[in-house]
Order: sequence, then C-alpha cells, then structure tokens
Amino acid sequence: EAGVAQSPRYKIIEKRQSVAFWCNPISGHATLYWYQQILGQGPKLLIQFQNNGVVDDSQLPKDRFSAERLKGVDSTLKIQPAKLEDSAVYLCASSRDRGRGETQYFGPGTRLLVL
Amino acid sequence: GDSVTQMEGPVTLSEEAFLTINCTYTATGYPSLFWYVQYPGEGLQLLLKATKADDKGSNKGFEATYRKETTSFHLEKGSVQVSDSAVYFCARHSGGGADGLTFGKGTHLIIQP
Repeated sequence: EAGVAQSPRYKIIEKRQSVAFWCNPISGHATLYWYQQILGQGPKLLIQFQNNGVVDDSQLPKDRFSAERLKGVDSTLKIQPAKLEDSAVYLCASSRDRGRGETQYFGPGTRLLVL
Repeated sequence: GDSVTQMEGPVTLSEEAFLTINCTYTATGYPSLFWYVQYPGEGLQLLLKATKADDKGSNKGFEATYRKETTSFHLEKGSVQVSDSAVYFCARHSGGGADGLTFGKGTHLIIQP
C-alpha cells in the first residue's frame, strides 16, 4: 500500500512570509498527525485529527499556525507569518484509528528553511 | 509533563558488537512505548513497540522490554551490522485523552566495518 505522501519536500522562504504544507495519509486511516522536528531533537506533536475533527491542538502556536482536514482525508498545515524559529522538518503521520497501541506511519517530511 | 530521555550520541561501534541504547520515560499512566528508526535519507519507520509491562517488542534482531519498575525501554541487539547505522528514537504514547507520541531526542548510531 502507498505510504503517507507529503509535499513539497523542501521550502525556503523569508521571515514574515506564509507557507503551506500538504499531506495525504494512508488510505483508510482515520487519524492524522502533524509533528515539528527541529534539528537535533525528536518530533513534537502540533495537532491531531480524527477524521475531520481536532482531537488535540494544545501545542499548536495558534497565533501563526493553522491546520485543516476538511473532508477527513488530506490535510494542510499553514504558517503565517513565518519566523526564523519555524525552520524545521514538518512531519505528517497517520494511523488506522485512535488508541495507545496504534502504529503511526510517517511521511518523508517537508524541510522548511526561514531566512 | 510527559517526557522521554535517551542516551546522547553519536554511538560508534564496530560490526558484530553488542548494542544497547538506553531509554527511560516519565511514569504518567501506562503508556505504550515505541522505538522508531530513521535511516539516512529516509523517513521515520516503526522498529518495534510494547503496549504493557513486561512485553517484549522485537524486529530485525532488535529487542526492547517494557520495564515498569524502572520506567525503561532499552533497545538491544546482539550483533550489529553496518546497515544498522541510523538515528534511533524512543517514544511514548502521550495519553491524557490524545494519541500523539512524545519522542526522545534521538541517538545517532554509527557502525564501522
């Protein structure tokens, strides 16, 4: 089966610009996650969706970050305006359903550089 | 809050050496525990997992046992290969009504021939 798809793979922008990332999860997966991975650190959860509803967005900087999953499949993550500290790899993951034992499958990530 | 602590890298070993990468977690609730691996140029892949105390996860010769009494989930392999060179991440299910993972900082493993 096809894995989690993300685009673009790389993005370079200047601070205060806006940027959007796209994710297509594994077919049939109800749960979708966005993580931020800063160089030298482990991924940090930004937001979790169950179908088209938000389960957890407690670590999403809502003054500049937004995310949606309108039809319960694809998702977009937007940053507006970007700051230098937003330079990171943005990872999308999906799992069949919610639950503590469910395996999360990760996409290749989008590497963002903010100048 | 929840956290995962794993040994700093890089860890450099010779081929066929025994590997241990230490991982401890905060003991909030009874989380599921995971090891993910990131090979050069690739995305994160699940290596193994354990969902309850005393469970042993295993895959590709790697093993880790869920130790509730020591809040640990150390990764071991009896004989490493050059192809095991990668970054290894320990993670716990965050709990608290959500399902995100809390990751350690990662351990870069380098295997020399």
